[in-house]
Amino acid sequence: SAVISQKPSRDICQRGTSLTIQCQVDSQVTMMFWYRQQPGQSLTLIATANQGSEATYESGFVIDKFPISRPNLTFSTLTVSNMSPEDSSIYLCSVDGSEQETQYFGPGTRLLVL
Amino acid sequence: AQSVTQLGSHVSVSEGALVLLRCNYSSSVPPYLFWYVQYPNQGLQLLLKYTTGATLVKGINGFEAEFKKSETSFHLTKPSAHMSDAAEYFCAVRTRNTDKLIFGTGTRLQVFP
Repeated sequence: SAVISQKPSRDICQRGTSLTIQCQVDSQVTMMFWYRQQPGQSLTLIATANQGSEATYESGFVIDKFPISRPNLTFSTLTVSNMSPEDSSIYLCSVDGSEQETQYFGPGTRLLVL
Repeated sequence: AQSVTQLGSHVSVSEGALVLLRCNYSSSVPPYLFWYVQYPNQGLQLLLKYTTGATLVKGINGFEAEFKKSETSFHLTKPSAHMSDAAEYFCAVRTRNTDKLIFGTGTRLQVFP
């Protein structure tokens, strides 16, 4: 399995501001995934990020709101832009393990927007 | 299209009792199936998975699940619950021709002394 870290672990932000979340993996991976988990709910995929190409966004998520960078095979960032209280969620990154079919998750970033 | 249904958003058991968390899936092609656990204020941890071969799979912490194709089910069980098993459990499906992991709505397990 991969070891994944995220920064920050939690944050409280004011509406209208932006927050960039970092995801670091201890090994090179082809695909990285970003999920949102709204309070009391399940996980929803935001986008898939491959190194060297534009991220692929799921229905309901747009690049202007959630820009993603993937500068190398071990790192990615997700920015939550122009935040509103509805953006209060846990944001998790994940990667495919060496077995390819299994995804491993980071500890998550807990975001509260006031 | 793939989907996952977890019956029961909350399950309560006594310590030492059998744990049964239900998961049914819908997939047009043979799926990969997963159970993840989320402890309070933590990320998701892989509990067990089915990819191919033996339909009864064993995971961490004494949990196991059985893939039943005829019933399109992948229920999670543990013979004897511990207080430390209290957490949120997510069933997920991924088909062999896609990168997407589809999650169920989750089941919160409470264990009473």
